[in-house]
Amino acid sequence: DAMVIQNPRYQVTQFGKPVTLSCSQTLNHNVMYWYQQKSSQAPKLLFHYYDKDFNNEADTPDNFQSRRPNTSFCFLDIRSPGLGDAAMYLCATKLWGRGLTDTQYFGPGTRLTVL
Amino acid sequence: SQQGEEDPQALSIQEGENATMNCSYKTSINNLQWYRQNSGRGLVHLILIRSNEREKHSGRLRVTLDTSKKSSSLLITASRAADTASYFCATDQTSGSRLTFGEGTQLTVNP
Repeated sequence: DAMVIQNPRYQVTQFGKPVTLSCSQTLNHNVMYWYQQKSSQAPKLLFHYYDKDFNNEADTPDNFQSRRPNTSFCFLDIRSPGLGDAAMYLCATKLWGRGLTDTQYFGPGTRLTVL
Repeated sequence: SQQGEEDPQALSIQEGENATMNCSYKTSINNLQWYRQNSGRGLVHLILIRSNEREKHSGRLRVTLDTSKKSSSLLITASRAADTASYFCATDQTSGSRLTFGEGTQLTVNP
């Protein structure tokens, strides 16, 4: 089945130790999103790619970077994780274009723990 | 306060009862969407209603949109224990860009 896959599902890192989260999709969608969701809160958009065009949210910390080497893959790099970065990280995709629906398709998320 | 505020924050009902969740927003929208999230999982799209629509149905779900009041409601009829989840509204202010999520309603359906 076409889907959005996130790896790993659970990631434990140490304070200040760089970590990379992975997202892949078989939907061939042109837009990919990264959200951060803390406990009992709404998902917060960090950035998104429209094809190769990177769109950063104004309040996304510099500590967060992203790469999209091809249509299928998108990575979230946290350069120096702090305790406040512990959260669920959600990847989503969308096929954007005239006349298409605006539905986003989410992966299962990666739960990041910072020790 | 944020675009997309929901109430109640938590709702507990018995199986078979109806559940109603409300969402308010502040700016003009292109569409409004409802998503469901089971504990520790990703979000699943439930239903989308465009700004020129007033009501939409999908199975046991009924969504209304009142653009004059900048509010929407999600009704789940004949609830089941498996409906237990968090429900988020999300507004799309400019087509093709981003969604802004509300804080969500935690629904518990007791068997």
